[in-house]
Amino acid sequence: GAGVSQSPSNKVTEKGKDVELRCDPISGHTALYWYRQSLGQGLEFLIYFQGNSAPDKSGLPSDRFSAERTGGSVSTLTIQRTQQEDSAVYLCASSLTGSLHFGNGTRLTVT
Amino acid sequence: AQTVTQSQPEMSVQEAETVTLSCTYDTSESDYYLFWYKQPPSRQMILVIRQEAYKQQNATENRFSVNFQKAAKSFSLKISDSQLGDAAMYFCAYRSAVNSGAGSYQLTFGKGTKLSVIP
Repeated sequence: GAGVSQSPSNKVTEKGKDVELRCDPISGHTALYWYRQSLGQGLEFLIYFQGNSAPDKSGLPSDRFSAERTGGSVSTLTIQRTQQEDSAVYLCASSLTGSLHFGNGTRLTVT
Repeated sequence: AQTVTQSQPEMSVQEAETVTLSCTYDTSESDYYLFWYKQPPSRQMILVIRQEAYKQQNATENRFSVNFQKAAKSFSLKISDSQLGDAAMYFCAYRSAVNSGAGSYQLTFGKGTKLSVIP
């Protein structure tokens, strides 16, 4: 079937605004991850969902970041009161057997 | 916490030649997975190859193979017969196979190696 889908592809927002990033995982994948990739850097883990279990939020950098996953499928990452340091590519991945399958990411630019 | 180190920020290879990208990792666990991902300018992370730590045999996928040295905690990627389409950032990643609490199942990534292929 289709791969992991993320929207929007690009988002420009003003400092202080809230943003929502969406991830549609591969159908049937029980695990969903959010990562952040800053310019020239590796990937920084943000949050992990597995089935109906409580999410692993250990990577969220501040309480301005939150995520939810509705019905075990689509996930939304919300960043409140965005700051310039939030500018990055936000990557979503889903998994069934341990190998992660990534979407194309959302490039967030905070001006 | 596990760490993954890629000591080569940039590498280049002549088309049709072979190149090896290095990766070392630090862990106290005995059961885990290792991965190489490719990230072209399109941004999408593409799984290149996966290795289970309990397997002694090195994984291979067509022109891509790994040299997994568990005792040395080394996991290098060899690309044979390099092609222009191989040019990308390559990331090495580690994932625990054991649930030991928060963060257990995340992938820990190295900072990447930028591979250029010279025609």
